[in-house]
Amino acid sequence: DAGVIQSPRHEVTEMGQEVTLRCKPISGHDYLFWYRQTMMRGLELLIYFNNNVPIDDSGMPEDRFSAKMPNASFSTLKIQPSEPRDSAVYFCASSPQPTGTGELFFGEGSRLTVL
Amino acid sequence: QKEVEQDPGPLSVPEGAIVSLNCTYSNSAFQYFMWYRQYSRKGPELLMYTYSSGNKEDGRFTAQVDKSSKYISLFIRDSQPSDSATYLCAMDTGFQKLVFGTGTRLLVSP
Repeated sequence: DAGVIQSPRHEVTEMGQEVTLRCKPISGHDYLFWYRQTMMRGLELLIYFNNNVPIDDSGMPEDRFSAKMPNASFSTLKIQPSEPRDSAVYFCASSPQPTGTGELFFGEGSRLTVL
Repeated sequence: QKEVEQDPGPLSVPEGAIVSLNCTYSNSAFQYFMWYRQYSRKGPELLMYTYSSGNKEDGRFTAQVDKSSKYISLFIRDSQPSDSATYLCAMDTGFQKLVFGTGTRLLVSP
């Protein structure tokens, strides 16, 4: 199994530009999560989906952030317009139906730098 | 106050030492407790999982949960340079919505 695949691995952009991060979850996993990691705040949950439906987006910082999951094998996280404070590593993770183990399978992350 | 508190480190130890990593939390609804390991420039990977209070052992790793004190620990025996990583505690109320600590960076020197 290829695991969770994220792209791009690195993105450098200028303030005000649109950023789109992409994620392919593990096949058969019904839950998909977007996290953001910074040194100061650690890993923060932004949004998660169950069977392609957004369940909890309370972690999305503001209207500049949006996430979609058009099908079971693809999700995007979009930031428009981007700001320097959005600089972070963004992780996508997937999980099978709840088993109680809480195991999330993470991708390798997308490192975003907004100048 | 954060829901989960974790000392960021770094924690530096010589090879072979016993390592103790800890987290405290404030939400008494947490029932599932996990430790994730994250190598540099990689995503976190699940290392240990425990449900409710008690101990769990897996090779050189032991996880302890004390719900009465809202305190969890991870012990690593005979630490190896390959254990050098950031260790993240994580907790779940049961709805697959993990809350992570900020992570403790561990450095094991040969």
